[in-house]
Parts: sequence; structure tokens; C-alpha cells
Amino acid sequence: DSGVTQTPKHLITATGQRVTLRCSPRSGDLSVYWYQQSLDQGLQFLIQYYNGEERAKGNILERFSAQQFPDLHSELNLSSLELGDSALYFCASSGTGGAYNGELFFGEGSRLTVL
Amino acid sequence: AQKVTQAQTEISVVEKEDVTLDCVYETRDTTYYLFWYKQPPSGELVFLIRRNSFDEQNEISGRYSWNFQKSTSSFNFTITASQVVDSAVYFCALWGAGGTSYGKLTFGQGTILTVHP
Repeated sequence: DSGVTQTPKHLITATGQRVTLRCSPRSGDLSVYWYQQSLDQGLQFLIQYYNGEERAKGNILERFSAQQFPDLHSELNLSSLELGDSALYFCASSGTGGAYNGELFFGEGSRLTVL
Repeated sequence: AQKVTQAQTEISVVEKEDVTLDCVYETRDTTYYLFWYKQPPSGELVFLIRRNSFDEQNEISGRYSWNFQKSTSSFNFTITASQVVDSAVYFCALWGAGGTSYGKLTFGQGTILTVHP
């Protein structure tokens, strides 16, 4: 158990809809990262937050947004969903210093299916 | 830009065989970290090892061993006497400590390892 909690574990929705994925980092971790794992793109970095502020951005679509709240949990919002958004979305967290050594603790993922 | 290449898409072995998973990386950062993660059928990502760019010592942990060669930009992973429970997807990943690399872990495409009884 990594200590990172993601909800929901599974989600099925229709094209055009909007969903929110939630992540609670390990106790004390200030950084939260979102990754997307799809069959065609593999594991891709989406975005990082550190103590409520956006720190780094990867291949995140404009239809997607994220935020980190004062209690350090994070939400990834996916809107105008397309079939291609079907993927496993991972949240990870790391300790103080903005993950200076890259050691991330991954949650179990939220599997999104868009029909 | 960072890049991680795992040339082997799928490997199939019989139990007790040794197997090596290859990983080649590209980065302009002088300080970086390399990782291996395991993703079993249940889907979670399990951390296996981290190695920084200044430490080229090979490492052994039980049946697992890692060979880091900076000269060839490779970080290969060997499982000795493989077992059925080793069946999983294995990812090599790179973390750069500088510039635009900071904050993101770049993953290879993964190698699907199947160990048959």
C-alpha cells in the first residue's frame, strides 16, 4: 500500500460528459502528480502540483484541468470526454522539496471508460 | 527532451529461466535518476529501484539485479530464475533534475513479461 488513495477505481461514462477524479496523497506529501496510461500513448505525465501551486505541465489536453486544495488532495477534471480519453489515470505523490529525486508513490489508478 | 526506450515489447520465458529487460535512455541533464517499476495484472505501479546518475554500481536484490552503464546510456534489469509471479509489465523511467525535465517522470513503453510454468 503506497498510501496514495484514488477514487473512483472504475468509472464508465459517455462521450461528451465530464468526470472528476480524486486523489489523496500520502500523509505529509506536498507534491501531487497525474499520469495517464493508455494503450496507444503509454504512461504520460499530465501535470504536477506542489502545495497548491501548479509546478509542471506535461501533455495535458485543454479539456482537462486539475487543482490541489489546501488539504493537499487533488482533483483531475476531464470534460467533453471522447472515446480516446479511456485510460487508466494515476495519481502519485512525493515528499517535500518537490520530489527532488523523482521518487513517486503511485495510487492504484482510476480506470475511465468512455462509451 | 528526455526519452526512454524499451526495445522489447514482449518477452516470454519458461519458469526458472533468466531474463533481461533492456532500457536505453536519452537526457541532456547531468543529474538524473533512473527507475524500474512493475505493473502486475492488478494494475498498480510498484516501485522496484531508483538509481542516480552518479552511482554506476550494479545492484542486486534477491533474484533481481540492475546494470547501469552510463557510457551506453543503459539501465538493464535482470530477473534470475524467473517465476510465474514475475509476469507483469515492467517500465523503465527517467527523471531529470534540470530545466524542463524537472517535475516529470518519463516512462518507456513497457515490456510485457510472461513467465510460463
